[in-house]
Amino acid sequence: DAGVIQSPRHEVTEMGQEVTLRCKPISGHNSLFWYRQTMMRGLELLIYFNNNVPIDDSGMPEDRFSAKMPNASFSTLKIQPSEPRDSAVYFCASSPTRINQPQHFGDGTRLSIL
Amino acid sequence: QKEVEQNSGPLSVPEGAIASLNCTYSDRVSQSFFWYRQYSGKSPELIMSIYSNGDKEDGRFTAQLNKASQYVSLLIRDSQPSDSATYLCAVNPNTGNQFYFGTGTSLTVIP
Repeated sequence: DAGVIQSPRHEVTEMGQEVTLRCKPISGHNSLFWYRQTMMRGLELLIYFNNNVPIDDSGMPEDRFSAKMPNASFSTLKIQPSEPRDSAVYFCASSPTRINQPQHFGDGTRLSIL
Repeated sequence: QKEVEQNSGPLSVPEGAIASLNCTYSDRVSQSFFWYRQYSGKSPELIMSIYSNGDKEDGRFTAQLNKASQYVSLLIRDSQPSDSATYLCAVNPNTGNQFYFGTGTSLTVIP
């Protein structure tokens, strides 16, 4: 079975540009999570969706960040405008919506903002 | 106080020894607990889940849960150099299906 699929794997762009990260969850998983990981702050939850509806976006750093989930098989995380401090690895994870279920992570997007 | 706390290490053990990784959590009503392994440059990979007090064994890995003391641990027996990674503890607080992650413990197994 295919796991969580993220694209792109790497993104290098200049400050001020718009960045769009993409995620396809595991089929049948109705919960989707976006995380950011840095050495300084570890793994931080940015936002999560249940059945395509955003449940908790309190981790989104500021208005420059937005996330959407237009259907059960696709989600995007957008940064506009990007800044050097946004450089990090961004992970998407999915799980069944039932409580107590483990999350499964994609390979991540390594983002560098110059 | 952070929801989940881990000793960041680094923890070094010789090959063949037992590695012991510990995690404490603050939310007393948490019901499910997970250990993830993350190799450098890779994504977190689920290795163990535990829901009830006591021990759960899977191969060389044993997860231990003590809800009264609010800690969960991971033991790795017969440690191998390939076990060298960062181990993340995750707790589901039972108020939704989000997780709280610890900052991870870096383990190095010395040949």
